[in-house]
Amino acid sequence: AQSVAQPEDQVNVAEGNPLTVKCTYSVSGNPYLFWYVQYPNRGLQFLLKYITGDNLVKGSYGFEAEFNKSQTSFHLKKPSALVSDSALYFCAVRVRRGYYGQNFVFGPGTRLSVLP
Amino acid sequence: SQTIHQWPATLVQPVGSPLSLECTVEGTSNPNLYWYRQAAGRGLQLLFYSVGIGQISSEVPQNLSASRPQDRQFILSSKKLLLSDSGFYLCAWRKEIEGQNPYEQYFGPGTRLTVT
Repeated sequence: AQSVAQPEDQVNVAEGNPLTVKCTYSVSGNPYLFWYVQYPNRGLQFLLKYITGDNLVKGSYGFEAEFNKSQTSFHLKKPSALVSDSALYFCAVRVRRGYYGQNFVFGPGTRLSVLP
Repeated sequence: SQTIHQWPATLVQPVGSPLSLECTVEGTSNPNLYWYRQAAGRGLQLLFYSVGIGQISSEVPQNLSASRPQDRQFILSSKKLLLSDSGFYLCAWRKEIEGQNPYEQYFGPGTRLTVT
């Protein structure tokens, strides 16, 4: 079965410190991986994606993610956290769904709290 | 540029009443469209997706239904709401072009539904 795991429900980090939000995946074939952020009572916002090429992908708001094929991971990182980064983060993988093509499978989400 | 709208933003409905949530996309043509439900501010559950007018795939059997009467309009409906239908409903779109790299999904602002 194709799936995405986010092993941490909650991540706490002090402002100015580096942050990491973990994601591991299980898919057949080449993985196409995505990160989204959700602020309270809002829709999800796209941050970045890995399709092919460099394992380090840079995205919006200073976020980056590192694709590691051997560890089947796609961890989200930021060198210096801001209080405004506090939100719910989702990892997702694109999967094929029958005749109609592709859909996304989302992880359960990780709540990031950046403490001032 | 493309935009996605959802309405209403919030809705309080009694058990047994009908439901109609609307999603429209502007600035693109023939998008793939999706309805998700998010319970308790965490994981996303894919409810329906559509690759074209009148083409709907259901991911989860339930008392909800979806329709796509126009290219950029996606409607989520129910004849009789249940308490368990409460949640945050998100519509999303993405462009799918065969042979090209997967595109990310873009989400609307969501509708908060409370069934009383």
